[in-house]
Amino acid sequence: AQSVSQHNHHVILSEAASLELGCNYSYGGTVNLFWYVQYPGQHLQLLLKYFSGDPLVKGIKGFEAEFIKSKFSFNLRKPSVQWSDTAEYFCAVNSGYSTLTFGKGTMLLVSP
Amino acid sequence: NAGVTQTPKFRVLKTGQSMTLLCAQDMNHEYMYWYRQDPGMGLRLIHYSVGEGTTAKGEVPDGYNVSRLKKQNFLLGLESAAPSQTSVYFCASSYSRKDGSSYEQYFGPGTRLTVT
Repeated sequence: AQSVSQHNHHVILSEAASLELGCNYSYGGTVNLFWYVQYPGQHLQLLLKYFSGDPLVKGIKGFEAEFIKSKFSFNLRKPSVQWSDTAEYFCAVNSGYSTLTFGKGTMLLVSP
Repeated sequence: NAGVTQTPKFRVLKTGQSMTLLCAQDMNHEYMYWYRQDPGMGLRLIHYSVGEGTTAKGEVPDGYNVSRLKKQNFLLGLESAAPSQTSVYFCASSYSRKDGSSYEQYFGPGTRLTVT
């Protein structure tokens, strides 16, 4: 079965620090990849997505992710985080079925 | 567009009671999903539907039933609630791609359910 691994459960950064959140998946075929963000008390919102083409994907709020097929990875990055980026981040993978497989999430706390 | 809406937003049930959660979407999406979210567990798929009149089991279907009588609505039922079903429930919907896979999912605001 498809699985998604997010290595860091909790990350604490100071404002202006750079961010990289890891995401690895297990499926070897064609995949569609997503990062979602969940702000405290809210629902999941799409940050960015990859279906095909340029493996470096830019999303909203200055986030980007790079798809590295050989490493089965889709890591999320942001050069300079803000306090308002405090949230939980979920990686998700679609391997050709009608459902997504989500990672367990990474909680990011940005201190001012 | 309202997007994906869920009712109710909050509910407290006693063990053994039943209830139905309603999800509605106005984006003409083919696919709809019900998830539960528990601390440290991420999102777990309960049931999903790839079209009106069709439903399928997800990762954690036990204790839940669903129905999709209309394309825009997806109902989640708990016939006999248990404390283990205390959770936040999210509905989502998406378009279908030509190969049957899904585009990105759009999520509703969630229903916080407590079973005592």
